[in-house]
Amino acid sequence: KQEVTQIPAALSVPEGENLVLNCSFTDSAIYNLQWFRQDPGKGLTSLLLIQSSQREQTSGRLNASLDKSSGRSTLYIAASQPGDSATYLCAPDAGGTSYGKLTFGQGTILTVHP
Amino acid sequence: DVKVTQSSRYLVKRTGEKVFLECVQDMDHENMFWYRQDPGLGLRLIYFSYDVKMKEKGDIPEGYSVSREKKERFSLILESASTNQTSMYLCASSRRYEQYFGPGTRLTVT
Repeated sequence: KQEVTQIPAALSVPEGENLVLNCSFTDSAIYNLQWFRQDPGKGLTSLLLIQSSQREQTSGRLNASLDKSSGRSTLYIAASQPGDSATYLCAPDAGGTSYGKLTFGQGTILTVHP
Repeated sequence: DVKVTQSSRYLVKRTGEKVFLECVQDMDHENMFWYRQDPGLGLRLIYFSYDVKMKEKGDIPEGYSVSREKKERFSLILESASTNQTSMYLCASSRRYEQYFGPGTRLTVT
């Protein structure tokens, strides 16, 4: 059974810092991996999707990398802003007959203070 | 932009009531999903559907059923609500791989 761990569980930084959020998963036979953010009491917003054939994806100040063989993904946030404060979740998709079934980590709670 | 809507943001029901949670997406996505989110347990998949009238059990289907009569609508049904079903319920849809989520329904069963 896939297990997903996100480190750190919480992070508090001053505005402007560059950040790295880590995600590890036990079953490396994944088809893709998705990163989300969740604001308190709200739904999830998709940030980046990395397919297994890709090693990284970029969107604005966000960059996500994927190393399937080691079971790791990282989300890099450049020049953090208070508006980045949220919980960040990673979710690998096993694909195949389990296609679309995401397994979520517990998330990293990020606080960026002015 | 993909839009996934859920019928209620907050819902309070009594133990034993039959509860319907509705989810609608406007992007003609084939796949739809229902999750619940609980502190310390994270998001867990309840049921999902790859097409109209198709459904498959997720990791925690007990106490729930679903209905998908139209492509854009996926309903989660609590046949007889219990207090341990108090939770945040999230619906999602996808065409292929990228899942888009609704705003969530916070259900309280008293």
